[in-house]
Amino acid sequence: GENVGLHLPTLSVQEGDNSIINCAYSNSASDYFIWYKQESGKGPQFIIDIRSNMDKRQGQRVTVLLNKTVKHLSLQIAATQPGDSAVYFCAENNNAGNMLTFGGGTRLMVKP
Amino acid sequence: GAGVSQSPRYKVAKRGQDVALRCDPISGHVSLFWYQQALGQGPEFLTYFQNEAQLDKSGLPSDRFFAERPEGSVSTLKIQRTQQEDSAVYLCASSPGTVPRQETQYFGPGTRLLVL
Repeated sequence: GENVGLHLPTLSVQEGDNSIINCAYSNSASDYFIWYKQESGKGPQFIIDIRSNMDKRQGQRVTVLLNKTVKHLSLQIAATQPGDSAVYFCAENNNAGNMLTFGGGTRLMVKP
Repeated sequence: GAGVSQSPRYKVAKRGQDVALRCDPISGHVSLFWYQQALGQGPEFLTYFQNEAQLDKSGLPSDRFFAERPEGSVSTLKIQRTQQEDSAVYLCASSPGTVPRQETQYFGPGTRLLVL
């Protein structure tokens, strides 16, 4: 929604550099993970997902890494562009229900 | 194709007023979710429908919150006697099948509710 990211941790990168956004999840029973991008005034937009039987998945300019041992998820964005500026959330499904549980979010700022 | 749509996009209510927020999911999607997003935080689950059945309402914060999906398509989230702490963005999401825990949820733009 609007003004998302006022009090979120911020990652500032130069245009063209690679970005890495990290997320720690809490539930070892979670078996499905999604990264969402949220721009101001908009709803979360799907970027990429990964299931617990994988440790890496690649999309267009994005890669998600899953480390189940330490319950850590990361999103790598290659050649970051100004249009990538947004708040990024990781979300997990903990298999106890059908809802997603979201992390706290990271604001990505791309400097031209 | 058309995504999830929500209306109104913005709603200002006086404390104590009732409000109704509408969600039109992606056509054919069986599962529908409502989430609440406070300023600067991630969305938090409110309730889940599979077709017209409300299978999980464990996230609704009080009995002032009520959701329905009578024909298994459009859903309405109603908040009675609104309070200032209800001010947030209300997001609707849908997913295609009956096992949404293994599916992507697609979000609408949200309704921003401000209670004065």
